Amino acid sequence: DAGVTQSPTHLIKTRGQHVTLRCSPISGHKSVSWYQQVLGQGPQFIFQYYEKEERGRGNFPDRFSARQFPNYSSELNVNALLLGDSALYLCASSSWDRGQETQYFGPGTRLLVL
Amino acid sequence: AQSVTQLDSHVSVSEGTPVLLRCNYSSSYSPSLFWYVQHPNKGLQLLLKYTSAATLVKGINGFEAEFKKSETSFHLTKPSAHMSDAAEYFCVVSDQLTGGGNKLTFGTGTQLKVEL
Repeated sequence: DAGVTQSPTHLIKTRGQHVTLRCSPISGHKSVSWYQQVLGQGPQFIFQYYEKEERGRGNFPDRFSARQFPNYSSELNVNALLLGDSALYLCASSSWDRGQETQYFGPGTRLLVL
Repeated sequence: AQSVTQLDSHVSVSEGTPVLLRCNYSSSYSPSLFWYVQHPNKGLQLLLKYTSAATLVKGINGFEAEFKKSETSFHLTKPSAHMSDAAEYFCVVSDQLTGGGNKLTFGTGTQLKVEL
């Protein structure tokens, strides 16, 4: 079975530009989460979506937004890019088993802002 | 909010010797705990998860972790290290979101180096 897929794999942008990152969950998974991993640190939670509704948002500015589509794929949008937005952006989809959620991660999109 | 603390930022072992990566958690109730591994320039792979069904959890590639409530610990072990185990390991706790679902809170990571 295919895992979580993300596109593009790498991206270079300049300050002030806008970027859209895409994620397709594992087949059958209805929830998608986004995380930002800055070099040398652990991932930080940005958003979770379930059935197209936002379930939660981490401590990120309004420049960050996301949405989920009827096929459960998701987009992460970042406006007015800053140098500090350079990071690996990870998408995860979730399965549930006996009341416990497990998140499975994609390979990530590496964003470099110049 | 729940949190995890990884006690070692770097661990170095020889191939064939045991691995111990230490993690303590802070939680007001029975936590959901995970270990993920990240190889260089790769995404995160789930190693194992604590489900409260058993305190000793077996994962992939020979790793296991023991949940000890009295010590608030969830240390990751492997009897014999292999060169392919060299990677960054994250101890993770799951936190409930107000809208349902959960967010993952990651520790700072432990870089495992395996030497010949």
